[in-house]
Amino acid sequence: EVQLLESGGGLAQPGGSLRLSCAASGFTFSNYAMHWVRQAPGKGLEWVSSIRSYGDAIYYADSVKGRFTISRDNSKNTLHLQMNSLRVEDTAVYYCAKGGTYSRSPLDFWGPGTLVTVSS
Amino acid sequence: QSVVTQPPSASGTPGQRVTISCSGSTSNIGSSAVNWYQQLPGTAPKLLIYSNNQRPSGVPDRFSGSKSGTSASLAISGLQSEDEADYYCALWDDSLNIRVFGGGTKLTVL
Repeated sequence: EVQLLESGGGLAQPGGSLRLSCAASGFTFSNYAMHWVRQAPGKGLEWVSSIRSYGDAIYYADSVKGRFTISRDNSKNTLHLQMNSLRVEDTAVYYCAKGGTYSRSPLDFWGPGTLVTVSS
Repeated sequence: QSVVTQPPSASGTPGQRVTISCSGSTSNIGSSAVNWYQQLPGTAPKLLIYSNNQRPSGVPDRFSGSKSGTSASLAISGLQSEDEADYYCALWDDSLNIRVFGGGTKLTVL
């Protein structure tokens, strides 16, 4: 059974940093692209970043480019999102999602999410 | 504001058939496969339809997807109370290398 579990959310001050992690199990992690998607309170889904299976291709939404860094550790079946220079508008539930072989593949499994609150 | 547009709300009565649209352009929907996600209240999204009209294992055949030109649609037949959720269309934009989500449609079962 595929399982994804995010951690690392919490309260951060504007300009601060947080590092999110996503522990994956139930599938061969190194074979699949992985993604972060966020959802601000009461709002819709917003794609944040994607990383291909061996980290050979990485993509970011314009809203986080230069501030967030996605990475993965295939030996530990873990996905990360380093979030720097946080802004109030980064407040959201952050979901980790499993993709397919290709960047365009659908996100077929999602974690329950972790809440990030950016506030002074 | 998303580059693909969904109606903010839709509604239907039990047993009815409802459709939710997703409109875009030749550079997104017109050239990419569309996926649909269902988000029940308080839960994570779930893949409902992929590659325009394919259902993952376990998704009832009451749910169907279609695409024509620069628009896509999700149809739900035999509407049930448990279908009350937010529905999102999504695609990968090959030219911009970004994933795009529609703004979402809140479906209410009356």
